Amino acid sequence: AQTVTQSQPEMSVQEAETVTLSCTYDTSESDYYLFWYKQPPSRQMILVIRQEAYKQQNATENRFSVNFQKAAKSFSLKISDSQLGDAAMYFCAYRSARGAQKLVFGQGTRLTINP
Amino acid sequence: SQTIHQWPATLVQPVGSPLSLECTVEGTSNPNLYWYRQAAGRGLQLLFYSVGIGQISSEVPQNLSASRPQDRQFILSSKKLLLSDSGFYLCAWSRRRHEQYFGPGTRLTVT
Repeated sequence: AQTVTQSQPEMSVQEAETVTLSCTYDTSESDYYLFWYKQPPSRQMILVIRQEAYKQQNATENRFSVNFQKAAKSFSLKISDSQLGDAAMYFCAYRSARGAQKLVFGQGTRLTINP
Repeated sequence: SQTIHQWPATLVQPVGSPLSLECTVEGTSNPNLYWYRQAAGRGLQLLFYSVGIGQISSEVPQNLSASRPQDRQFILSSKKLLLSDSGFYLCAWSRRRHEQYFGPGTRLTVT
């Protein structure tokens, strides 16, 4: 079974600085997807970014980018120019390309933005 | 555009009472549907998923059940709630081979 590990329960960063959140995963599959979701205090899960395993190019979405290292099974999220609205729980998630495509989540990292 | 609704937003129920949580999706057809539970301060655990009407797969044996009576409706139920059923319940939908989109969630407290 696939597992996702986020080793940083909490992180903090100064406003306007850059922060990187770590995620590793374990799988024997070669075709899959990886995601970062954000959960603000409202608790609704919001998709931040996705990465297809077959793509070598790292995904970017405005201030958010990933460092996808397939051989190392690592998928970190970099947030540039951190804003107060970025404060939230961040979850890394894995999804197989086969079957019902259910998500396997990590335990989350709580990100605090210091003004 | 697609939207996903969940209700109620908050629910307080006594132990032993029944439960019915509803999730509906608008703006798409034949979606995959999912029920997740999130315990306080933890990640999400998949409970059930459905790829079509009447097709339900259970991930974790427990006191809950799910049904999909219509294409865009997904219901989570229990005949008798346990204290351990307390948590935050999230419904999600996806198209085939696409990312999942989540509803606003239901906070359930069993007393």
